[in-house]
Amino acid sequence: NAGVTQTPKFRILKIGQSMTLQCAQDMNHNYMYWYRQDPGMGLKLIYYSVGAGITDKGEVPNGYNVSRSTTEDFPLRLELAAPSQTSVYFCASTKDLNQPQHFGDGTRLSIL
Amino acid sequence: EDKVVQSPLSLVVHEGDTVTLNCSYEVTNFRSLLWYKQEKKAPTFLFMLTSSGIEKKSGRLSSILDKKELFSILNITATQTGDSAIYLCAPTVGGADGLTFGKGTHLIIQP
Repeated sequence: NAGVTQTPKFRILKIGQSMTLQCAQDMNHNYMYWYRQDPGMGLKLIYYSVGAGITDKGEVPNGYNVSRSTTEDFPLRLELAAPSQTSVYFCASTKDLNQPQHFGDGTRLSIL
Repeated sequence: EDKVVQSPLSLVVHEGDTVTLNCSYEVTNFRSLLWYKQEKKAPTFLFMLTSSGIEKKSGRLSSILDKKELFSILNITATQTGDSAIYLCAPTVGGADGLTFGKGTHLIIQP
């Protein structure tokens, strides 16, 4: 019973590099979300998706892109990494809007 | 703009104490209020509150919502060191938009 799986768990990037954070869920959830969490702050929404082929911006989308080609996967892409993107990234999903979101264990990303 | 304020931001108590964590919110088209516990990794779900005045309980944890005054409290009785965590609240709204979280309360239980 995997739930929401995020890879990698940790990553260090150099400024200007690109990478993709992976998120997969095996619960057949339609709604998926990407958040970032900075020290002492709550989680802030980056992007979300209500189903395959549909994505939308959240509160802090600049510098990120997403795609949702399947129900299971919702990758987050950083094209030109910047130090301000150093954070812990969480992916979450839910079956419907009357249910709580389930979170992955996060990806800790440092950009130097 | 949606706003979620949690208090206190940090709290240190001794094992066995009772604590009350607060969450006030200002959102449009309120649907429910969620509480999560975050230890080292993923936030884990505690409660979903949709109706005012109805207490939800799970062991030593309980929570209640006041939709008129726009706040919720989370109580933990007979605290244990395993209760040490960051407690996050987040109101949900009518659309599919993601959650707006408060900054969280960092609770430390000393033995």
